[in-house]
Amino acid sequence: AQKITQTQPGMFVQEKEAVTLDCTYDTSDPSYGLFWYKQPSSGEMIFLIYQGSYDQQNATEGRYSLNFQKARKSANLVISASQLGDSAMYFCAMRGINDYKLSFGAGTTVTVRA
Amino acid sequence: DSGVTQTPKHLITATGQRVTLRCSPRSGDLSVYWYQQSLDQGLQFLIQYYNGEERAKGNILERFSAQQFPDLHSELNLSSLELGDSALYFCASSPQSRDSTYEQYFGPGTRLTVT
Repeated sequence: AQKITQTQPGMFVQEKEAVTLDCTYDTSDPSYGLFWYKQPSSGEMIFLIYQGSYDQQNATEGRYSLNFQKARKSANLVISASQLGDSAMYFCAMRGINDYKLSFGAGTTVTVRA
Repeated sequence: DSGVTQTPKHLITATGQRVTLRCSPRSGDLSVYWYQQSLDQGLQFLIQYYNGEERAKGNILERFSAQQFPDLHSELNLSSLELGDSALYFCASSPQSRDSTYEQYFGPGTRLTVT
């Protein structure tokens, strides 16, 4: 079974600053994928970024980057140059090689201040 | 826009009633997943279908059932509704059934309120 832990229930960040959202995971699968999703107040779940457990480089997608530390079982999301539209709930998720489903963390609410 | 559609967007119904939530996956995706998001349970996986066949079950109540049709759209049926069933129900899709490299794309969700 997979377990995802997001220890930061809420964070404030100043516009144009960077913010790091913590995510640690636990799995016995030899191969797995790590994902981050954004959920704005409107409710939809938006896929942001993916990191494979065997990927040698950290994933990046525009202003999003994933700081993957396999030995520490962490997959932190970094949002650079925060914008007001980044205010949302962010979920870390994972899927093992033998999994059908995504397992989600509890989420972190990010509020960007002008 | 993820390409996954869900109807209705909002649903208000009374306890004891039955409702059907509908989902159309992204073009070309064969897998459909249903998730429930509630304040106390977070995001929970309910069930998955791949090309018309049930592939995995999660924390799905016996009062709930689902199916995937030949055109790949899926329906989640919730019966004998209770107040605790009030939640946001998501459908997601992906190309494959069991591949950890594929992200799942989520629909906009159906917000169910049971009164």
